[in-house]
Amino acid sequence: GEDVEQSLFLSVREGDSSVINCTYTDSSSTYLYWYKQEPGAGLQLLTYIFSNMDMKQDQRLTVLLNKKDKHLSLRIADTQTGDSAIYFCAESIDDYKLSFGAGTTVTVRA
Amino acid sequence: GAVVSQHPSWVICKSGTSVKIECRSLDFQATTMFWYRQFPKQSLMLMATSNEGSKATYEQGVEKDKFLINHASLTLSTLTVTSAHPEDSSFYICSAPTSRNYNEQFFGPGTRLTVL
Repeated sequence: GEDVEQSLFLSVREGDSSVINCTYTDSSSTYLYWYKQEPGAGLQLLTYIFSNMDMKQDQRLTVLLNKKDKHLSLRIADTQTGDSAIYFCAESIDDYKLSFGAGTTVTVRA
Repeated sequence: GAVVSQHPSWVICKSGTSVKIECRSLDFQATTMFWYRQFPKQSLMLMATSNEGSKATYEQGVEKDKFLINHASLTLSTLTVTSAHPEDSSFYICSAPTSRNYNEQFFGPGTRLTVL
């Protein structure tokens, strides 16, 4: 199967770190992705990680992958109000298709 | 990153009419594009894969006669919702991987379809 699960909501104080978690089921996925969606807009690719990697860092974003547990996380350091959005975890399935989680709504409070 | 556009950004139509949505890759060629639909506060569901020069492939449960896909050129795919009904109201999003890195997919801004 290709089920991707995420927690639905996260509230974080401005300046703190946010951690969004995701679990997936397809062990053959070669890439795992994080996308950001702001209200009424399409999806913005934030970062992705190859399945043979454990960690990837890109500025304020850190992705951790535990392939054994099929667990993916996205950490946003120094969370800002502009980070408020819905964050989707996705795994690659055959022929570059993506299977998405339900999305985590991140709310940044002052 | 690469840019994908969609037109229109929103459309309201009467039940029974057909609506065409365009997806364009602006600064790269895309032999493959994907069409998704997203219901309010839900995730994206893949509808079909659009292939330039050949027929689209549809996901299970998606009616190909209802959602016509034409990949007319290396930069344009169109989705036509035929005989639209209120249950077709949704947010339709296309995506395209770039040829330089097929694992990077870029999404269009989406088209909000409301069928009255």
